[in-house]
Amino acid sequence: QVRLVESGGDLVRPGRSLRLSCAASGFDFDHYAMYWVRQAPGKGLQWVATISNDGTNTYHADSAKGRFTISRDNSINTLYLQMKDLRPEDTAIYYCARAPWDKYGSYCDLWGQGALVTVSS
Amino acid sequence: QPILTQPPSASASLGASVTLTCALSSGYSNYKVDWYQQRPGMGPRFVMRVGSGGIVGSKGDGIPGRFSVLGSGLIRFLTIKNIQEEDEAVYHCGADHGTVDNFVAVFGGGTKLTVL
Repeated sequence: QVRLVESGGDLVRPGRSLRLSCAASGFDFDHYAMYWVRQAPGKGLQWVATISNDGTNTYHADSAKGRFTISRDNSINTLYLQMKDLRPEDTAIYYCARAPWDKYGSYCDLWGQGALVTVSS
Repeated sequence: QPILTQPPSASASLGASVTLTCALSSGYSNYKVDWYQQRPGMGPRFVMRVGSGGIVGSKGDGIPGRFSVLGSGLIRFLTIKNIQEEDEAVYHCGADHGTVDNFVAVFGGGTKLTVL
């Protein structure tokens, strides 16, 4: 079954760290770029980070630069988002998404169910 | 990078048609946009991509033929015909911008579609 399953969401205090994982199954994980996208309560989607299929290229939104790091382990079909110095405004559902990349660019054709991160004292 | 603008809400009666819009900021008329559907309590689902010439590539898995797209100038349209109850959702548009060395992705604010 083709799917993405996020884990690691939690309630954390401001300033703490957290690592999200996204387990992929049912497809050739190392053929695809991957995204993290978040959605604050009642808000729209916000891009967080993207990583190339082989992990050599990573891109982070300005809001994530210096605090969040996207990575992947293709040997175990898993995507990660390491988050540090968390702030209340980072409270959101974090989705991982599979991203085919062609001459027109990338798009997210498969999404997970999301992991809730709540940052509060 | 492009800015994507969507109306916050839309409504249509059961069995009717509705067209949702996603406006690209000036200077990005050649950009494709990706449409996503997000039903209540669920993660987003890919619908299809649209450029200035229409659909780019294929529709997402399970997207019915009632869904279609068009592009004109800076606007990307998603039309849903014969609206069903299950079409009630928030529809997001997204786009990416840049090269291998410098990449960003952006989303519009989303349009909440209510089926009357």
